[in-house]
Amino acid sequence: TAGITQAPTSQILAAGRSMTLRCTQDMRHNAMYWYRQDLGLGLRLIHYSNTAGTTGKGEVPDGYSVSRANTDDFPLTLASAVPSQTSVYFCASSDPGLSGELFFGEGSRLTVL
Amino acid sequence: GQSLEQPSEVTAVEGAIVQINCTYQTSGFYGLSWYQQHDGGAPTFLSYNALDGLEETGRFSSFLSRSDSYGYLLLQELQMKDSASYFCAGAMNRDDKIIFGKGTRLHILP
Repeated sequence: TAGITQAPTSQILAAGRSMTLRCTQDMRHNAMYWYRQDLGLGLRLIHYSNTAGTTGKGEVPDGYSVSRANTDDFPLTLASAVPSQTSVYFCASSDPGLSGELFFGEGSRLTVL
Repeated sequence: GQSLEQPSEVTAVEGAIVQINCTYQTSGFYGLSWYQQHDGGAPTFLSYNALDGLEETGRFSSFLSRSDSYGYLLLQELQMKDSASYFCAGAMNRDDKIIFGKGTRLHILP
């Protein structure tokens, strides 16, 4: 079982360029999330989606956008990258209410220069 | 608003017991989860408390007290492989966003 697949694994991006981080899950989970992780700051929620067709803002949404056209895919887009968006990005999914468990992808390391 | 507070670092000895605390400030809190993350890896789920009380899973136990807005993760018979960061996480309701604490780095001494 693949679970959650993120791509790319790592990327170096010039400031001002756009970038889409891809996230696909095969567990038919309704809820999906994007977090960024920076040293000393833990995991901060960027955007989330409770079900296909709906999205919500997390703790640090500025500079990022998401879409949820179907259950399986939840891409994260940086329209114009800035160096402060250098981070490790984790996508996660869950079936809310069952066990409280989030399933995480392996992460995407993004460096903005 | 939502926030979860936990110590930044904890040190314990191999074979001992350690408790990692998590306090939160939110209303209508739904449940508390715990995750483990090794360096370079993704967070992995450890336990979830939907109700007050203790949940036990092998060497790991987790506790929740809603009246005290407090929970903890208890690790017994510590092994060197338990050296990792541990995060508590929670949501205000069943369908709400899940927020994480900043994480506790657990150092284990031989």
